[in-house]
Amino acid sequence: GEDVEQSLFLSVREGDSSVINCTYTDSSSTYLYWYKQEPGAGLQLLTYIFSNMDMKQDQRLTVLLNKKDKHLSLRIADTQTGDSAIYFCAESMKGGSYIPTFGRGTSLIVHP
Amino acid sequence: GAGVSQSPSNKVTEKGKDVELRCDPISGHTALYWYRQRLGQGLEFLIYFQGNSAPDKSGLPSDRFSAERTGESVSTLTIQRTQQEDSAVYLCASSQDLRGELFFGEGSRLTVL
Repeated sequence: GEDVEQSLFLSVREGDSSVINCTYTDSSSTYLYWYKQEPGAGLQLLTYIFSNMDMKQDQRLTVLLNKKDKHLSLRIADTQTGDSAIYFCAESMKGGSYIPTFGRGTSLIVHP
Repeated sequence: GAGVSQSPSNKVTEKGKDVELRCDPISGHTALYWYRQRLGQGLEFLIYFQGNSAPDKSGLPSDRFSAERTGESVSTLTIQRTQQEDSAVYLCASSQDLRGELFFGEGSRLTVL
């Protein structure tokens, strides 16, 4: 299987919460990231979490990390149409490599 | 400029031709990465430059692909004898520290006819 796995699509109603999930395989991963890609643009870092943390909150974003299950999630509260984008989960520092490995991305569609 | 700059933004070429894609990283960023994003796919790592160290070329898919970087500045990704399966968006990113926070360019969309 792939090193980083994500579901491909998520559709939510404006104002609801969105939860995007990710699983990774390497327990030595030290940094875990969420990147956002809007149409026609490059990726932008949204938030990251160190592997010694369980949770990180940043305004409408909450990242939860379950190291035992190698599961990472991104919750977006009060989702807006401007949040429609592709969200990529990434891990780095696994096995000492600084090269981030990305998942295939989850397309978030927010409808009125 | 303030961000990572890539050129050309779009390139259409015929099968068998060579192409060069350019990346201008953020000034002062020692690390530079090339990724490939095929339609509907995730990011596929191609090559990584870190300072004056030997590049990590482990992601290059074939010997038709090569990349160079002059010091800590511009990088060029060259694809020789292009094939249709090379059609993709080629993304360049740079980073300042080893935490891995990457700053991406907008990509070069390559279409091989």
